[in-house]
Amino acid sequence: GQQVMQIPQYQHVQEGEDFTTYCNSSTTLSNIQWYKQRPGGHPVFLIQLVKSGEVKKQKRLTFQFGEAKKNSSLHITATQTTDVGTYFCAGSNAGGTSYGKLTFGQGTILTVHP
Amino acid sequence: EPEVTQTPSHQVTQMGQEVILRCVPISNHLYFYWYRQILGQKVEFLVSFYNNEISEKSEIFDDQFSVERPDGSNFTLKIRSTKLEDSAMYFCASSENRNNSPLHFGNGTRLTVT
Repeated sequence: GQQVMQIPQYQHVQEGEDFTTYCNSSTTLSNIQWYKQRPGGHPVFLIQLVKSGEVKKQKRLTFQFGEAKKNSSLHITATQTTDVGTYFCAGSNAGGTSYGKLTFGQGTILTVHP
Repeated sequence: EPEVTQTPSHQVTQMGQEVILRCVPISNHLYFYWYRQILGQKVEFLVSFYNNEISEKSEIFDDQFSVERPDGSNFTLKIRSTKLEDSAMYFCASSENRNNSPLHFGNGTRLTVT
């Protein structure tokens, strides 16, 4: 079945440093979504990428979708303590009729030292 | 902003007992899901539900699991005979009436099987 791998598993940064998490799928995706989960919280939708090579920005966050639609990345510029949490990528299979069946990566736990 | 609500927030049960987890999806959403997250691990798809029937289910969703939409607002997950390994956070989610739209997660029910 489809597998989504995410690295690194943990990232500890000083406030102000940049952070990147990478996501790779074993199969071509129709789209990829990114979620953030605060400690003790639930996943909260950040963004969805659909097109090959797509790049989207949300303030200090930059999301990319690979040309082959099998990988993605999330980059945070100048991290703040409010960025703390686990960032998950979640992919949906191309060519399928999956109604919301997302395969999540293992997540990257980001901690930010003030 | 409308949100998905789940009850109870925490459920403790003995092995072999039946549990019902309850969810009220966002009112104008038509697709409903259950995901689970074992402590510290990734979010795993269980089942999707549309038009009063299961659209897709994972291998985790065996005969011990069932879902129901008993009325116009509630969406329930039943585990007939709980096992220790069913201990996890169970998230309900809903999405708008189109494929691959973002998921809105509830706060989750933490199920502890003793």
